[in-house]
Amino acid sequence: EAGVTQSPTHLIKTRGQQATLRCSPISGHTSVYWYQQALGLGLQFLLWYDEGEERNRGNFPPRFSGRQFPNYSSELNVNALELEDSALYLCASSLEGVSNQPQHFGDGTRLSIL
Amino acid sequence: GEDVEQSLFLSVREGDSSVINCTYTDSSSTYLYWYKQEPGAGLQLLTYIFSNMDMKQDQRLTVLLNKKDKHLSLRIADTQTGDSAIYFCAESPNTGNQFYFGTGTSLTVIP
Repeated sequence: EAGVTQSPTHLIKTRGQQATLRCSPISGHTSVYWYQQALGLGLQFLLWYDEGEERNRGNFPPRFSGRQFPNYSSELNVNALELEDSALYLCASSLEGVSNQPQHFGDGTRLSIL
Repeated sequence: GEDVEQSLFLSVREGDSSVINCTYTDSSSTYLYWYKQEPGAGLQLLTYIFSNMDMKQDQRLTVLLNKKDKHLSLRIADTQTGDSAIYFCAESPNTGNQFYFGTGTSLTVIP
């Protein structure tokens, strides 16, 4: 069974640009979560999608947004990139959104802002 | 938000036992988790424990839960160099599905 896959592995952008990160959940998982892991910091919760809807959002500005597609894959979009957006962005999936199912993580996309 | 705390660093000698500690704040948390992150990789689910359990053992891993003190620990027996990684504990409160992660403990195993 394939795990959570994320693309691209690395992404280099400059300030002010826009970035799109992609995630494919484990087959059968309907919930997708996005986290930011900046250097020296823990995991900061960004977004939770389930059945195509945004269910919860962390304490991030509106320029962080995303969506979930009918096949449950997801995109994270970051507009007007700033230097402090440089981080590892991790996607996780779980079986469903309300029963505390374990979250399974991909290997992340490392976003570097120059 | 919830506050999950871990010590930042731990060093042990190969073959010794490692104990990684975590404290959490939400007494309604129904599940508590341990994840491992190796360099350049995502988080790997190691084990998890239901809040109505005191202990769970899985091969070299033993999880102990003290609900009264809101304290969770992960013991790794016979620690190997391949166990060197960052270990995160996480709680999942009963309200909603958001996970709250600790800051991670960096385990270094000395040969």
